[in-house]
Amino acid sequence: GAGVSQSPSNKVTEKGKDVELRCDPISGHTALYWYRQRLGQGLEFLIYFQGNSAPDKSGLPSDRFSAERTGESVSTLTIQRTQQEDSAVYLCASTTSGGVGEQFFGPGTRLTVL
Amino acid sequence: GENVEQHPSTLSVQEGDSAVIKCTYSDSASNYFPWYKQELGKGPQLIIDIRSNVGEKKDQRIAVTLNKTAKHFSLHITETQPEDSAVYFCAASIDNNDMRFGAGTRLTVKP
Repeated sequence: GAGVSQSPSNKVTEKGKDVELRCDPISGHTALYWYRQRLGQGLEFLIYFQGNSAPDKSGLPSDRFSAERTGESVSTLTIQRTQQEDSAVYLCASTTSGGVGEQFFGPGTRLTVL
Repeated sequence: GENVEQHPSTLSVQEGDSAVIKCTYSDSASNYFPWYKQELGKGPQLIIDIRSNVGEKKDQRIAVTLNKTAKHFSLHITETQPEDSAVYFCAASIDNNDMRFGAGTRLTVKP
């Protein structure tokens, strides 16, 4: 398929463990976003990558959260020493840049921290 | 940075009635305002968007209005149907960069 893919779809982990979430954007999309969505709540901006520019990390809730993206390809969101409040769906979206257009969302990764 | 507020958080309407969701934004430089619909267990999908050079845009039963002076924009759904039930998010950005979303509105259309 040509859409945004995310893996894993579900992740259950124990408190204190590290987790890594993956996002494969649509080919050619230079911009990539990570969002967190807690149960029944809105989209919480985490981080934004635009091409080779320095990412906008202003939404990362703590230094336990980090994300990387190499060029315009795959991105990984890492959560270290997970806490129960990290339990949420983590959504990735990609879009072209330089103008207005749709953000294409992946199906999300549901993270449960026990 | 941009701050988007969305109201109401929940909305329940009878099938056939209209639904209106309102958003305000803080950054006067924002020029792109999309609306997304999220169905249960899925990622959000774009349903309509508006740029700052127009005041209204319509697509069948869905319309969006924008008031740049007041920095608010609204989604209007007419003749609602049960399949319109979902969570709706507004968003604002400058040229689709660094987009920020509202908290969402859970719309329930009762048959």
